[in-house]
Amino acid sequence: KNEVEQSPQNLTAQEGEFITINCSYSVGISALHWLQQHPGGGIVSLFMLSSGKKKHGRLIATINIQEKHSSLHITASHPRDSAVYICAVGDFGNEKLTFGTGTRLTIIP
Amino acid sequence: DAGITQSPRHKVTETGTPVTLRCHQTENHRYMYWYRQDPGHGLRLIHYSYGVKDTDKGEVSDGYSVSRSKTEDFLLTLESATSSQTSVYFCAISEFVYEQYFGPGTRLTVT
Repeated sequence: KNEVEQSPQNLTAQEGEFITINCSYSVGISALHWLQQHPGGGIVSLFMLSSGKKKHGRLIATINIQEKHSSLHITASHPRDSAVYICAVGDFGNEKLTFGTGTRLTIIP
Repeated sequence: DAGITQSPRHKVTETGTPVTLRCHQTENHRYMYWYRQDPGHGLRLIHYSYGVKDTDKGEVSDGYSVSRSKTEDFLLTLESATSSQTSVYFCAISEFVYEQYFGPGTRLTVT
């Protein structure tokens, strides 16, 4: 079973700061997801990636397959980015995802 | 957004009573999943379905059963609810393995 660890567990930053959230996993994967969950809200998929880098607006996700590590970056952070960010991995030949426990991000105006 | 609804959205019930949660999709996706989310834990898979009448257990399936008689509906049943089943329950769907879309969640409290 893949073990997924996220760091930090909690992160508080000032508006405008560059944010990095990390995810590491123990076994080779076929795909990695970054998800966002606002307080009391549903879960939204931000990225799915299996190699390299993806960018959407101020969000950038990277993955290093050899090091079994992914990062989610937020540039020019804004209070509306405050949410829990969840990393999830999919194993080869398996319909199921394994989830990290999430990183709670708070952006202070 | 993917068309996924969950009902009810909130429920309070007593220990020992049966509870059924419903997940309904309008996307005709093959796979459907039930997760629970608890503080300090990641989302944990309860059961999933890979087609009508085809289901399998996840990592925390004890005390739960599921049924899928139609593509669009996936039911999660707690036969006799316990306080340890107080949680937020999420349904998810996918057509392609790994790319899942989540419902809005159901907050269940067992007193």
